[in-house]
Amino acid sequence: NAGVTQTPKFRVLKTGQSMTLLCAQDMNHEYMYWYRQDPGMGLRLIHYSVGEGTTAKGEVPDGYNVSRLKKQNFLLGLESAAPSQTSVYFCASSSQDRGYGQNYGYTFGSGTRLTVV
Amino acid sequence: AQSVAQPEDQVNVAEGNPLTVKCTYSVSGNPYLFWYVQYPNRGLQFLLKYITGDNLVKGSYGFEAEFNKSQTSFHLKKPSALVSDSALYFCAVRDVYSGAGSYQLTFGKGTKLSVIP
Repeated sequence: NAGVTQTPKFRVLKTGQSMTLLCAQDMNHEYMYWYRQDPGMGLRLIHYSVGEGTTAKGEVPDGYNVSRLKKQNFLLGLESAAPSQTSVYFCASSSQDRGYGQNYGYTFGSGTRLTVV
Repeated sequence: AQSVAQPEDQVNVAEGNPLTVKCTYSVSGNPYLFWYVQYPNRGLQFLLKYITGDNLVKGSYGFEAEFNKSQTSFHLKKPSALVSDSALYFCAVRDVYSGAGSYQLTFGKGTKLSVIP
């Protein structure tokens, strides 16, 4: 089925280790997003991309980097993991909104549960 | 700036009774409004949206939501709750004129719905 695929689904890191979360979508969406979900905090935007080769900071970008070398992929990197980055990470994508409200919102991946010890 | 408030962390309702999950929003212009549902250990799934037109919007699984511009609200409703409706519900908003070619949704903190048999 078409959609957004996130890998890995689970990961345990030690403080200071690095890792990359991969998000892949096969819907030819222009926009992609990385969110983190924490209890009582809802979803917070980390970084987003409006097209291949472009990225921008969201609400909570510190400690993360992203890259969008191909339109279908959006990578989230943690260079030096910290316990505060223990969270569930969601990737989402959406098509370009050309101003007529035809956008149907985001399509989400199933999430990556990351624990930093 | 745009924001969403979901005033209830949890809503409990008996199976067969009507349910309401509340959402209020703030945007500088006109809103696009969305409801998403998250089942345990899953990503968020689109339920319904308001873009323009009829204030009563019908969505998936028998849910509907009413857009009230004067009260800046977009409450989610269902006439008869099912145990299988138990999940985490997120309201989201975007200002129609957010500009910059991006399409960023702002999410509420979520409301946990528990339907009691």
